[in-house]
Amino acid sequence: EAGVAQSPRYKIIEKRQSVAFWCNPISGHATLYWYQQILGQGPKLLIQFQNNGVVDDSQLPKDRFSAERLKGVDSTLKIQPAKLEDSAVYLCASSLVHGKNTEAFFGQGTRLTVV
Amino acid sequence: GENVEQHPSTLSVQEGDSAVIKCTYSDSASNYFPWYKQELGKRPQLIIDIRSNVGEKKDQRIAVTLNKTAKHFSLHITETQPEDSAVYFCAASRIVNTGNQFYFGTGTSLTVIP
Repeated sequence: EAGVAQSPRYKIIEKRQSVAFWCNPISGHATLYWYQQILGQGPKLLIQFQNNGVVDDSQLPKDRFSAERLKGVDSTLKIQPAKLEDSAVYLCASSLVHGKNTEAFFGQGTRLTVV
Repeated sequence: GENVEQHPSTLSVQEGDSAVIKCTYSDSASNYFPWYKQELGKRPQLIIDIRSNVGEKKDQRIAVTLNKTAKHFSLHITETQPEDSAVYFCAASRIVNTGNQFYFGTGTSLTVIP
């Protein structure tokens, strides 16, 4: 089966610029996650969607980060304006069925460098 | 919320030796504990998982143990090989009414020395 697709793979921007990341989950996966992984740390959940609804965005810096999953499939994560500390790998993940213990499948990630 | 702690942060072993990575969690409602392996520049991939109704699970050279009372779980790799070198993440997960929520440890960088 096709995996979770993310683009772009790499992005370099200047601080205060804006950037957007795209994710296409595995077909049929209702749950979609965006994680931020700073070098040397574990993935930190930014936002979780169930279909096109937000389940948890408690750790999303809402003054600069936004995310949407309008049709319950693809998702975009945006940062505007970016700060130096946003430099990280942004991982998208999806899982199959809510209400059951199932693994999260990860995409390759987008490595963001803010200079 | 859940807090997952992972130790050690780095681990070096000789090829053929065993490696053990330990994690603790805080939320007694967590009931699913996956382990992910992340090679440099690649995506995290599930290597083994355990559910709270099981105390131990083994898959070839990899095993995971869970102590619900103490809220800790461990990954055991036996007969390590150079290709086991990677960063390993533990996670604790619980079901909420709209899906699993995963909380990750900070990772263990394992180096297997040939």
